[in-house]
Amino acid sequence: RKEVEQDPGPFNVPEGATVAFNCTYSNSASQSFFWYRQDCRKEPKLLMSVYSSGNEDGRFTAQLNRASQYISLLIRDSKLSDSATYLCVVNLGGNDMRFGAGTRLTVKP
Amino acid sequence: NAGVTQTPKFRILKIGQSMTLQCTQDMNHNYMYWYRQDPGMGLKLIYYSVGAGITDKGEVPNGYNVSRSTTEDFPLRLELAAPSQTSVYFCASSPAGTFQPQHFGDGTRLSIL
Repeated sequence: RKEVEQDPGPFNVPEGATVAFNCTYSNSASQSFFWYRQDCRKEPKLLMSVYSSGNEDGRFTAQLNRASQYISLLIRDSKLSDSATYLCVVNLGGNDMRFGAGTRLTVKP
Repeated sequence: NAGVTQTPKFRILKIGQSMTLQCTQDMNHNYMYWYRQDPGMGLKLIYYSVGAGITDKGEVPNGYNVSRSTTEDFPLRLELAAPSQTSVYFCASSPAGTFQPQHFGDGTRLSIL
């Protein structure tokens, strides 16, 4: 099992759709989790941290499932501007932060 | 407030040349990181630092060196450039450890021919 694994996609969805991505991780002791967004040829930017109780920021909802060792990102009412690659980041212990390879999302008119 | 600044933005090197990628942050963050990102891949940690004078290896440190003489600066050195080091390099910083998100510079695109 890869340490941090994401479905690479691409996910092609129409505007207004709801889309969800998962990210699995190998270390059951992992304590911190994040979702970043990366536009083409740009630096990653923090989208949201993932808390144990789940958290929401507007159209975006992040969940953590410790039993099954995955985090998820749900995007509601997709906009054209949501087109990007979404990277999950997991702390595998100590200072070892690992990035997933990313899931590419394209939102079409 | 500039955040994390990387220079240069682009560079082409010949095999065997050396160079230093510069990274500086003005947020007084203790933690700094260097990543590389190959096409279609996630970011891989090269080196990180938890404070001035302290550095540690990440997942892919071979062929690189770092130093952290000040809180603000964290340069990455390539001593003998190889084609396998062609990549996009990102520097990042965070206030403290891995419970806090990282702020990224806008990257250095390096090609080695």
